[in-house]
Amino acid sequence: EPEVTQTPSHQVTQMGQEVILRCVPISNHLYFYWYRQILGQKVEFLVSFYNNEISEKSEIFDDQFSVERPDGSNFTLKIRSTKLEDSAMYFCASSDVSSGRSDTQYFGPGTRLTVL
Amino acid sequence: RKEVEQDPGPFNVPEGATVAFNCTYSNSASQSFFWYRQDCRKEPKLLMSVYSSGNEDGRFTAQLNRASQYISLLIRDSTLSDSATYLCVVSAGTYKYIFGTGTRLKVLA
Repeated sequence: EPEVTQTPSHQVTQMGQEVILRCVPISNHLYFYWYRQILGQKVEFLVSFYNNEISEKSEIFDDQFSVERPDGSNFTLKIRSTKLEDSAMYFCASSDVSSGRSDTQYFGPGTRLTVL
Repeated sequence: RKEVEQDPGPFNVPEGATVAFNCTYSNSASQSFFWYRQDCRKEPKLLMSVYSSGNEDGRFTAQLNRASQYISLLIRDSTLSDSATYLCVVSAGTYKYIFGTGTRLKVLA
């Protein structure tokens, strides 16, 4: 069964450093998402992406964040200058426009980001 | 009112019990509704979409009440493996989704 994959599984970085989190969505999916979940809190929407453009973004997704689909398979989330409060699990998700319910999302296993 | 609200629980039930969760949402324009389950420190996994007419998938039944702006999930004949956090998800735009805080379920032997 196809699945969303994410690398790395755990990233430790120093405050102020740039990080890039990587995702490989399911191959025929065209909609991509990033979410974060701070430990013990709810899953929070960051951004959705379609046709090489951001579709929607939340208030959390400020100028420190950016997304990119650099090639036909990867989808990345960049945080330019990490803060302590960016420590969280980051989930990538994708959905299939060809299915009857194009907004059914499938999640990757997540990248745990720890900012020291 | 919170965008998506759930009772955090935990709901502790014996095996074989029937348990129901509710979720309320504030945006009357929301079009898509889902239940996901999340195991500890794992990714959310889709349990079922929720359709206007209500839908059933095995032991799971989901209902949508647009007038009162809530969705529900009913689990029959609960098993130990049903122990998880159940997340209510509601659309808030074309491709923007709001998660509830989740309801924890513990099924006890």
